[in-house]
Amino acid sequence: GAVVSQHPSRVICKSGTSVKIECRSLDFQATTMFWYRQFPKKSLMLMATSNEGSKATYEQGVEKDKFLINHASLTLSTLTVTSAHPEDSSFYICSSETNTEAFFGQGTRLTVV
Amino acid sequence: RKEVEQDPGPFNVPEGATVAFNCTYSNSASQSFFWYRQDCRKEPKLLMSVYSSGNEDGRFTAQLNRASQYISLLIRDSKLSDSATYLCVVNIGYKLSFGAGTTVTVRA
Repeated sequence: GAVVSQHPSRVICKSGTSVKIECRSLDFQATTMFWYRQFPKKSLMLMATSNEGSKATYEQGVEKDKFLINHASLTLSTLTVTSAHPEDSSFYICSSETNTEAFFGQGTRLTVV
Repeated sequence: RKEVEQDPGPFNVPEGATVAFNCTYSNSASQSFFWYRQDCRKEPKLLMSVYSSGNEDGRFTAQLNRASQYISLLIRDSKLSDSATYLCVVNIGYKLSFGAGTTVTVRA
């Protein structure tokens, strides 16, 4: 199956700083990638759809200026959490999907202190 | 109403037991259904797709009931390594919707 690599796997940052999370498709070209966040014991919540060469599509309630998404190439999408606060602490995970399967990155556990 | 709902569990079962749980979905137009497994602090991984006729993969059996809009997963002869959270995933249009997961803990 397709391989999606996400980095970093864990990050601890201070309040007010920004954190960039990278998601790479290693053996295929992904025109679309999805970014999710997951709180403990909760379901994956779609934050936004990243589109190569165009603006990301954000789900309702997700601040686009807070969560900056860049999909500059067919193999790389990035999510930047700007001016992070403790409530942004969560598990962030990217995926590339078809109608029949989702290929996930390894996820990033963000802790804002 | 949530698009996909699951009993969160936890289901605590001894090794060798059979455990089964369901997932309901709200959109009758959903076409594709899956069970994913997620281990603690890891990414979800596809366990199996769910077909209309039901399907089996080793100790795992999945069923789809379109009339009542639910899918089920049954694990036979459970192993310690089956301990995980099982996510119900439903394709709705161009998106995949995830349930919150059912936690299964198999004890020795």
